[in-house]
Amino acid sequence: GNSVTQMEGPVTLSEEAFLTINCTYTATGYPSLFWYVQYPGEGLQLLLKATKADDKGSNKGFEATYRKETTSFHLEKGSVQVSDSAVYFCALIFTGKLIFGQGTTLQVKP
Amino acid sequence: DAGITQSPRYKITETGRQVTLMCHQTWSHSYMFWYRQDLGHGLRLIYYSAAADITDKGEVPDGYVVSRSKTENFPLTLESATRSQTSVYFCASSDPLQGVNTEAFFGQGTRLTVV
Repeated sequence: GNSVTQMEGPVTLSEEAFLTINCTYTATGYPSLFWYVQYPGEGLQLLLKATKADDKGSNKGFEATYRKETTSFHLEKGSVQVSDSAVYFCALIFTGKLIFGQGTTLQVKP
Repeated sequence: DAGITQSPRYKITETGRQVTLMCHQTWSHSYMFWYRQDLGHGLRLIYYSAAADITDKGEVPDGYVVSRSKTENFPLTLESATRSQTSVYFCASSDPLQGVNTEAFFGQGTRLTVV
């Protein structure tokens, strides 16, 4: 079946550090891939998406590239801020069914 | 208000009681989902619905019942609540007119505690 695996957290970084959160997926077809973010006490918000191989999603300085050959969709940001502290979820959707990874907690310290 | 709303935001119930969590969306999205969020497990799909009167099981459906008589509402019922169902529950919707694999939009969540 379809599944998503994320690197385990928590991830603790200093402000302006480089961020990578790894995400790999297993899918029977060609899913769309997403990163969602959850700030404390809130619901999930879409951060970025990619709908086909080699697509790059980007938003708020975050980027992720849909790599079909490695079945990956790693999230990166060149310089994190304290306001980026949140839980990040990798997800895929295929035939309308949306599946999430376990989530990775990011804490950014000043 | 436009969007997707869940009610109640917080609920405490006793073991064995029936409880219903409500989800309402104003976009007329055909797809709707229920997830539970637990530490260490991320979000797990309980049930989803592709349209009114069409529902299907997700990863963890046992102990839950859903219905979808109207496109805009997707209530989740715990028929006999257990402590293991203590969790944060999220409802979501998506619009396949934008492509069947388009993103989903989430409610604020319901924090349910079963004592």
